[in-house]
Amino acid sequence: EVQLVESGGGLVQPGGSLRLSCAASGFTVSSNYMSWVRQAPGKGLEWVSVIYSGGSTYYADSVKGRFTISRHNSKNTLYLQMNSLRAEDTAVYYCAIDSNGIFQHWGQGTLVTVSS
Amino acid sequence: EIVMTQSPATLSVSPGERATLSCRASQSVSSNLAWYQQKPGQAPRLLIYGASTRATGIPARFSGSGSGTEFTLTISSLQSEDFAVYYCQQYNNWPLWTFGQGTKVEIK
Repeated sequence: EVQLVESGGGLVQPGGSLRLSCAASGFTVSSNYMSWVRQAPGKGLEWVSVIYSGGSTYYADSVKGRFTISRHNSKNTLYLQMNSLRAEDTAVYYCAIDSNGIFQHWGQGTLVTVSS
Repeated sequence: EIVMTQSPATLSVSPGERATLSCRASQSVSSNLAWYQQKPGQAPRLLIYGASTRATGIPARFSGSGSGTEFTLTISSLQSEDFAVYYCQQYNNWPLWTFGQGTKVEIK
């Protein structure tokens, strides 16, 4: 059974950093495209970043230069390093298996709150 | 960036009635369109991809149609578990996937 479990969210001050993790089971992270999608409180969904099986990475303009997606193959885990955080980054962050843009499997999400 | 616009923002429907949700793309996305259902406190759930193909385990009362810039999600006879927020998403403009702002289906 495919399972995705995010962790690492919490309260951080503006300008701070946080690293999110997404532990996967039932499939191999490095063999799949993996994305992060976020949802601000009471708002819609926003795609954030993707890492392809070959290692290429892409980002939404809103996070480019501040966020870094990566993976640890032996731990079968996906990461999102978030630097220079802003209030507008406050959201629930989901990891998902990205099947050429179709998100069949999602984690339960982890909440990031950026506030002083 | 392709902008996805959903209408209406809120749809009030009685159980057993039909619900029709619309999604418009700012430019053609061919049939590269998915629909998701999200309930409070839960992750989104894939309903439809390829504009009209139901995902695994999705009941037949959910159907999708359209291509290009105009798409529709129809729920033929609303069940209590169908009251939720529905999002459309384009995956034609690689890799910048974008979602609509959502339609909330509420009990009338």
